[in-house]
Amino acid sequence: GAVVSQHPSRVICKSGTSVKIECRSLDFQATTMFWYRQFPKQSLMLMATSNEGSKATYEQGVEKDKFLINHASLTLSTLTVTSAHPEDSSFYICSARAGVTNEKLFFGSGTQLSVL
Amino acid sequence: AQSVTQLDSHVSVSEGTPVLLRCNYSSSYSPSLFWYVQHPNKGLQLLLKYTSAATLVKGINGFEAEFKKSETSFHLTKPSAHMSDAAEYFCVVSDRDNAGNMLTFGGGTRLMVKP
Repeated sequence: GAVVSQHPSRVICKSGTSVKIECRSLDFQATTMFWYRQFPKQSLMLMATSNEGSKATYEQGVEKDKFLINHASLTLSTLTVTSAHPEDSSFYICSARAGVTNEKLFFGSGTQLSVL
Repeated sequence: AQSVTQLDSHVSVSEGTPVLLRCNYSSSYSPSLFWYVQHPNKGLQLLLKYTSAATLVKGINGFEAEFKKSETSFHLTKPSAHMSDAAEYFCVVSDRDNAGNMLTFGGGTRLMVKP
């Protein structure tokens, strides 16, 4: 089946630094990619939707200047957490959609971000 | 608006016994419903999906789920648990008649399988 690669799987950084997370669709073209955040013992919450070549659409309450999303190609989307703080520590997971419906949606393996 | 409620945050069963993970949903449209499994350090994997065809859906690894509109439920079952089934399970709803972007996740159920 389709594979989505997410890197890094785990990152520890100091407060104030920026962290970039990559999400790649390995064997299909993903016109749309999604970024989710999962707090401990809570469900996945959609942060933003990115379409290749256009600006990402952020969900209410998500700071677009803090969570920069770039979807420059049909196989790569990046999420950059800028000036990270301890409250940004979380599990981030991306997904990529093949086609126009969510019935062909594949998830990355996630990134555990810890900000000291 | 749509929402998903997974009624149990933790379920513990013995190996070889049946598994039942409960999910109730609400949706303004005709929903698509999914169950995903998340093993540690791995991505979410689709177990099965309901998209308006047969109400009893069979998935991978022996799992199945039944869509019951009258009860707004989509419970996940498996006749006999295996140790490898221990993982986090998410019930997900998507408004099929909507733009297609909105996925709403349930809170997750952690399945533990005892030897």
